[in-house]
Amino acid sequence: EIVLTQSPGTLSLSPGERATLSCRASQSVSSSYLAWYQQKPGQAPRLLIYGASSRATGIPDRFSGSGSGTDFTLTISRLEPEDFAVYYCQQYGFTFGGGTKVEIK
Amino acid sequence: QVQLQESGPGLVKPSQTLSLTCTVSGGSISSGSYYWSWIRQPAGKGLEWIGRIYTSGSTNYNPSLKSRVTISVDTSKNQFSLKLSSVTAADTAVYYCARQSLQLWFYDYWGQGTLVTVSS
Repeated sequence: EIVLTQSPGTLSLSPGERATLSCRASQSVSSSYLAWYQQKPGQAPRLLIYGASSRATGIPDRFSGSGSGTDFTLTISRLEPEDFAVYYCQQYGFTFGGGTKVEIK
Repeated sequence: QVQLQESGPGLVKPSQTLSLTCTVSGGSISSGSYYWSWIRQPAGKGLEWIGRIYTSGSTNYNPSLKSRVTISVDTSKNQFSLKLSSVTAADTAVYYCARQSLQLWFYDYWGQGTLVTVSS
């Protein structure tokens, strides 16, 4: 079973700053099956990135994904107020990481 | 615009069976391009994949839940359903239904989620 470990657990940043979120797999995974989601309180997750680096429909270009093998990164270039949320990575549709909370500093 | 909506009892007694239905609108569940999945999230915790079904009725389940889970599809009603037997308090969670890409296995549409509490 592949385990996804996300770090840090919490990221405290100010609007306008850059956020870098990490997702590490316990063994190599195909980047084609790596996705990122954003979840706000009381809401369902929203797809941001699929195939490790492709933005989903309607997702602003300040969100970008990269990585391969066991190390993947979600970058938010300049945080907007609406970006403060929890972010999850997911692989092969079966396994989710534990999440990174991006909070306002 | 595809929409998914979960429905079912919000309270289930321990040892009983949890039953939820997901109604899909704005698209056909028989389109053949997607899996239809159930995912849950205990309060304050992360996401757990429960299982999925294809329009043909073929299913895949989380091994940790497999002995208690049944997912079925009713294409005539554009619905798919979840049954989880022998529930305990550990099954208390928000349950989501979601559409999963057949090719790249990401979830692009989600229901709003429904809270199911297991308590006597």
